[in-house]
Amino acid sequence: DIHLTQSPSFLSSSVGDRVTITCRANRDINKFLAWYQQKPGKAPKLLIYAAYTLKSGVPSRFSGSRSGTEFTLTISSLQPEDSATYYCQQLSDYPLVFGGGTKVEI
Amino acid sequence: QVQLVESGGGVVQPGGSLRLSCAASGFTFKNFHMHWVRRAPGKGLEWLSLIEYDGRRTYYADSVKDRFTISRDNYRNTLFLQLNSLRTEDTGIYYCGKVVPGGHDIDDWGQGTLVTVSS
Repeated sequence: DIHLTQSPSFLSSSVGDRVTITCRANRDINKFLAWYQQKPGKAPKLLIYAAYTLKSGVPSRFSGSRSGTEFTLTISSLQPEDSATYYCQQLSDYPLVFGGGTKVEI
Repeated sequence: QVQLVESGGGVVQPGGSLRLSCAASGFTFKNFHMHWVRRAPGKGLEWLSLIEYDGRRTYYADSVKDRFTISRDNYRNTLFLQLNSLRTEDTGIYYCGKVVPGGHDIDDWGQGTLVTVSS
C-alpha cells in the first residue's frame, strides 16, 4: 500500500505569513495527489487536485507543487479564514489513503 | 449546483448494522465515480470505499473490507454504504463524495451523517 507522511502535524503562524505543508509518498504516485481543507463541524473542501490544479473558486494564495514523491501545499499570505486542518490524499492506487493532517492555527 | 445529502446514521450496538444513503442532485450521477470517507472523533480523514460510475467495480480500505459494502442506484441517483459487524472504532462522521471530472479526487462532499457504535 501507498503511505503518505504529512508534516508538520501542527503549525502556528501569523496573518500574512507564507506557510508550507509537505506530503511525502513512500513510492511514486505521479501527479495523483489532492489537498483538502476542513474546518470544525464542516465537510472537507477540495483545494488542489492533480498536484497543481487549483479548484475553481479557491483563492489564488493556495498553490501546489511536486518534486518526485514530495508534494507541497503553499499558502502565500495566510488569512484568518485559513485556520483549518489540511489533508493530502493520494489517488494513484487503492487504497486511496489520506495523510495524517496538518492543523493550522492563526 | 451539486448537492449530496447523507442519511441513515444513528446509534447502534457493536456487531450491529446500518445502511447509509447519499442522495445526489445537480449533476449526472450515473457518469461519476463516488466515494465514502469518514472522520472518527479526534482523528483524521479515512478513505473507505469507491464505486465506479456504473457500479461494476468497487474498492475498499482494509479496515472495512468484508464488513462494508458500497453500492449505487443510478435510476434513483443514490449511493449506499451497508455497514455490518460494526465496531466501536467505526464511530464517526461518514461523508459521501463525488469525483472531479476525469479523475478520482473528491470534488464535492455531503454534510456527513454521524454513526455511533456503542453498547
